[in-house]
Amino acid sequence: AQKITQTQPGMFVQEKEAVTLDCTYDTSDPSYGLFWYKQPSSGEMIFLIYQGSYDQQNATEGRYSLNFQKARKSANLVISASQLGDSAMYFCAMRDETGNQFYFGTGTSLTVIP
Amino acid sequence: EAGVAQSPRYKIIEKRQSVAFWCNPISGHATLYWYQQILGQGPKLLIQFQNNGVVDDSQLPKDRFSAERLKGVDSTLKIQPAKLEDSAVYLCASSFRLARNEQFFGPGTRLTVL
Repeated sequence: AQKITQTQPGMFVQEKEAVTLDCTYDTSDPSYGLFWYKQPSSGEMIFLIYQGSYDQQNATEGRYSLNFQKARKSANLVISASQLGDSAMYFCAMRDETGNQFYFGTGTSLTVIP
Repeated sequence: EAGVAQSPRYKIIEKRQSVAFWCNPISGHATLYWYQQILGQGPKLLIQFQNNGVVDDSQLPKDRFSAERLKGVDSTLKIQPAKLEDSAVYLCASSFRLARNEQFFGPGTRLTVL
């Protein structure tokens, strides 16, 4: 069963604008973790942001913020003030309760337009 | 701080041949992961080590794939014999075994099976 769903295969955003990348997840665990990674064309996965299932506040890391809606099981990534270097694949991922399993979505390709 | 090292970066083999990939995690990271990323998909976790012990290998096709981390530091992933569908990027990641389990990824090995 699909654990992580990313419904946007490709997104475009104008430089300096904000963009939201969607992610929904499926779990019955009370405790889990949600991650966003960036994968540039070079191939290396870069950690961006983490949200724990019990965290009361939405996570923020610089220009990245995670819009966590637990009841809807969504964990959307918001990138503010987009830069050309933000063009990449973005993957949403989930860690299960045991910490032994990690599930990645199929990714969203983001292109920042000058 | 040095990142996760992987070698080789690229490998081309014929089907039924054997291949091995090497990974050296970030110093002090007890947990090491191997992922398979098929083109157009998100990474799929194959195996997770905690020090030199296997935490989870439920997604590893054990009839042809094997992995070891004998001294709890570097690790090798082997495929024997390779099939066409094994063509993928093999990513190694490491982390501190903390609640967050934020993973740091290496550059990956791109395998092409002809």
